[in-house]
Amino acid sequence: DQQVKQNSPSLSVQEGRISILNCDYTNSMFDYFLWYKKYPAEGPTFLISISSIKDKNEDGRFTVFLNKSAKHLSLHIVPSQPGDSAVYFCAASANSGGSNYKLTFGKGTLLTVNP
Amino acid sequence: DAGITQSPRHKVTETGTPVTLRCHQTENHRYMYWYRQDPGHGLRLIHYSYGVKDTDKGEVSDGYSVSRSKTEDFLLTLESATSSQTSVYFCAISARLAGKSSYEQYFGPGTRLTVT
Repeated sequence: DQQVKQNSPSLSVQEGRISILNCDYTNSMFDYFLWYKKYPAEGPTFLISISSIKDKNEDGRFTVFLNKSAKHLSLHIVPSQPGDSAVYFCAASANSGGSNYKLTFGKGTLLTVNP
Repeated sequence: DAGITQSPRHKVTETGTPVTLRCHQTENHRYMYWYRQDPGHGLRLIHYSYGVKDTDKGEVSDGYSVSRSKTEDFLLTLESATSSQTSVYFCAISARLAGKSSYEQYFGPGTRLTVT
């Protein structure tokens, strides 16, 4: 049973436009959510996170929105740049961002930003 | 930079042979994790450690064991490698950066393991 779902395996956008990556979860115990970016042959890189007590978190061009009632979160990248082309993983945990928590990952979405 | 290195970075081994992957960190982080990444599965937790000699199983622990005799090293062992263990293995640590209120997991560069 997949607890974190990224239903779009791939997404293609034009440079300068908005990229929206979506993630759904089923486990009501999840209270901390993260997005990671991964380039080929590298480890995942932490991008941004959000606690369930918030519905939005911004960091530069990246914004994560959380809709708890829908068990849905999304990552917005504005404006998109070719260097943003990577696989994006959504992850969730049930430990409120404490020191020790196990992450459950989605399968990832490949974002391609075309010049 | 969370100071995580993994060795080897690439390895090809035969079915039935033992394999040990090493994760090394330089900043005394208490919590360390091993994940595997496979197409169509994202990343899945194999084992994790919450201190020296303290480890626990993750989602896909069958066929794997771990050891942590020093804070800085977390070893993942495949006792008898199988083709289904062909994967990319990532080590991670849990850390809170300066100025942040929460912990995040930071990943090493990965080890690509092929079992023939």
